[in-house]
Amino acid sequence: DADVTQTPRNRITKTGKRIMLECSQTKGHDRMYWYRQDPGLGLRLIYYSFDVKDINKGEISDGYSVSRQAQAKFSLSLESAIPNQTALYFCATSDLNREEGYTFGSGTRLTVV
Amino acid sequence: GESVGLHLPTLSVQEGDNSIINCAYSNSASDYFIWYKQESGKGPQFIIDIRSNMDKRQGQRVTVLLNKTVKHLSLQIAATQPGDSAVYFCAEANNYGQNFVFGPGTRLSVLP
Repeated sequence: DADVTQTPRNRITKTGKRIMLECSQTKGHDRMYWYRQDPGLGLRLIYYSFDVKDINKGEISDGYSVSRQAQAKFSLSLESAIPNQTALYFCATSDLNREEGYTFGSGTRLTVV
Repeated sequence: GESVGLHLPTLSVQEGDNSIINCAYSNSASDYFIWYKQESGKGPQFIIDIRSNMDKRQGQRVTVLLNKTVKHLSLQIAATQPGDSAVYFCAEANNYGQNFVFGPGTRLSVLP
């Protein structure tokens, strides 16, 4: 099994719909992150959490919310999806010292039509 | 598979040649740097890291060079192989709790 698992892998949704992307990890890391990747723009941080009771906004949090249900689970929600949220979304984890950076999931490709 | 980084700079090299991928970082306070490899349809994977107290670090077939004076990072891949074809990007962070900031990436294409 993968260290960081994202579901679904692909999703097409309509404008205005609520959608949740889920992430679970077996690394035992405390820190979890949600990133968005768009062509030519690299990875941009949406939200991050350093432990179960800690939630922080990243660079582009507008239009998104998160929930850290447990140390191993971190979900990302789009309350009312819009077409410019079409992107590749990655969940990542790291340990306290960020040794070797992040462990990424395989990504969720979201298309909003 | 997915096409990541449609408008990325592309580096094309012949199989067996050495590759050099460059990255300019933005924050002079950054003291920890990582190179990632992202293959089509996959998440980024750690390749090699370097801290600011070093200017060179070697791994298996890869070398990272850090020039703090000009805020420049490079990744050298020796004897490039078809399996090295991917998007490569650098990330920077510092010990003051800053999260990693990622560069836009470079697509490496290995020609037969």
